[in-house]
Amino acid sequence: GENVEQHPSTLSVQEGDSAVIKCTYSDSASNYFPWYKQELGKGPQLIIDIRSNVGEKKDQRIAVTLNKTAKHFSLHITETQPEDSAVYFCAAAISGSARQLTFGSGTQLTVLP
Amino acid sequence: GAGVSQSPRYKVAKRGQDVALRCDPISGHVSLFWYQQALGQGPEFLTYFQNEAQLDKSGLPSDRFFAERPEGSVSTLKIQRTQQEDSAVYLCASSRVQGSGNTIYFGEGSWLTVV
Repeated sequence: GENVEQHPSTLSVQEGDSAVIKCTYSDSASNYFPWYKQELGKGPQLIIDIRSNVGEKKDQRIAVTLNKTAKHFSLHITETQPEDSAVYFCAAAISGSARQLTFGSGTQLTVLP
Repeated sequence: GAGVSQSPRYKVAKRGQDVALRCDPISGHVSLFWYQQALGQGPEFLTYFQNEAQLDKSGLPSDRFFAERPEGSVSTLKIQRTQQEDSAVYLCASSRVQGSGNTIYFGEGSWLTVV
């Protein structure tokens, strides 16, 4: 089955700096890669996703890149703000199947004011 | 409703007790998923429904875990004879239809503590 590894497990940045979180996946059939933000006591919230037919996607301060050959994808957050502090999870799935997501182990991002 | 609704939000069960966790998916969503999230970990897949049909239950950790969705909307995850290792957040998620291009939305979760 699919295995998703995520790094780093914790990340602290100064407000205004950029943050990068990286994930690798094992199943070359995976073609859908969402990123979720989870605040304490809440469920995961989708912030951005990418499909394997594109290499990069941006949404305001958030971008995701995908390297299918190397089987890794990354989340980039620019101009970080304290409200970006949360746990971020990457995930992978095979689109068109039951779409069960395989999650990484999460990154605790802390943005220091 | 506007989002996936789960109840109870918090449940403390004595070891050996049975529990039932309810999920109300987003109205009209065909696909429904249950995930288990241990403290400090990412969610792990338990089971998947398409309408009332349970198409995948490969993630259920033991035969003490049972899920149903009899009318294709509300779902219940039942855990019999709870054990301490069952302590986790149980997340329900739904999506409009199966297949590509469909976002999976999560509820806030049911926090289960077995004492």
